[in-house]
Amino acid sequence: ILNVEQSPQSLHVQEGDSTNFTCSFPSSNFYALHWYRWETAKSPEALFVMTLNGDEKKKGRISATLNTKEGYSYLYIKGSQPEDSATYLCAPCSSYKLIFGSGTRLLVRP
Amino acid sequence: KAGVTQTPRYLIKTRGQQVTLSCSPISGHRSVSWYQQTPGQGLQFLFEYFSETQRNKGNFPGRFSGRQFSNSRSEMNVSTLELGDSALYLCASRETVATNEKLFFGSGTQLSVL
Repeated sequence: ILNVEQSPQSLHVQEGDSTNFTCSFPSSNFYALHWYRWETAKSPEALFVMTLNGDEKKKGRISATLNTKEGYSYLYIKGSQPEDSATYLCAPCSSYKLIFGSGTRLLVRP
Repeated sequence: KAGVTQTPRYLIKTRGQQVTLSCSPISGHRSVSWYQQTPGQGLQFLFEYFSETQRNKGNFPGRFSGRQFSNSRSEMNVSTLELGDSALYLCASRETVATNEKLFFGSGTQLSVL
C-alpha cells in the first residue's frame, strides 16, 4: 500500500501571496507523479504529470518540481488569485495504480 | 469532443439494495478507472479497466465489482449496500494505461444509502 502524504491539509492566503504545498510518497516502485486541481462543484482536472527526477513543470503561475530519490514533489503558486481556490491533489503512480493523497485545500481571500 | 459522462448524477438507495453506476469515457479512451470519495478521505482507488479487462483493483470488498464493454463504457456495481457506501463515485478515462498519461474525470455520481 502506497502511503501518500500532502501538507498542509489546508491553507488560507491573501490574494497576491505566493504559496507552496508538499506531496510525500515512498520512492520505491515509482513511475510517475500527477497533480490535479479540484474546484468545488467541478471535476478534478490534471495540472501536471512528471516522471523524471528533477523534472520541473510550469503552467502560468503554477509550477511543480519532483524529487524521486527522496520521494517528494512541491507545487508552487505565484501571486495567488481567488480563482486558485481549490483542493490540490497529488497522485504518485506505483504498480500502475494512481494513488491519491488527501489533498491540500487552498482558499485565497480577495 | 464530449467529456466523461457519468449517470446517474444522484442516487438514493436503502441498505441491502444493489446499485449500478455507469461511465462513458471520452471517445478513443480505452481505460476507465473508478474512485470513491468520502468526507475526510482522499480519492480511494476502486479498479481500472482497459480493453474490457480489469487491470488493477484497490482494497475494497467483493461487493464492489465492475465491468467494461467493447465500446469502452464501464459500469460499477455495489451489492448489499451499507451506510458506509454513501460517497461520491468518480470515474476517469484515458487513452491508454501509460503511467504518464493524465486522467480525465467525470462529474461523479453522488450515492446516498439510507
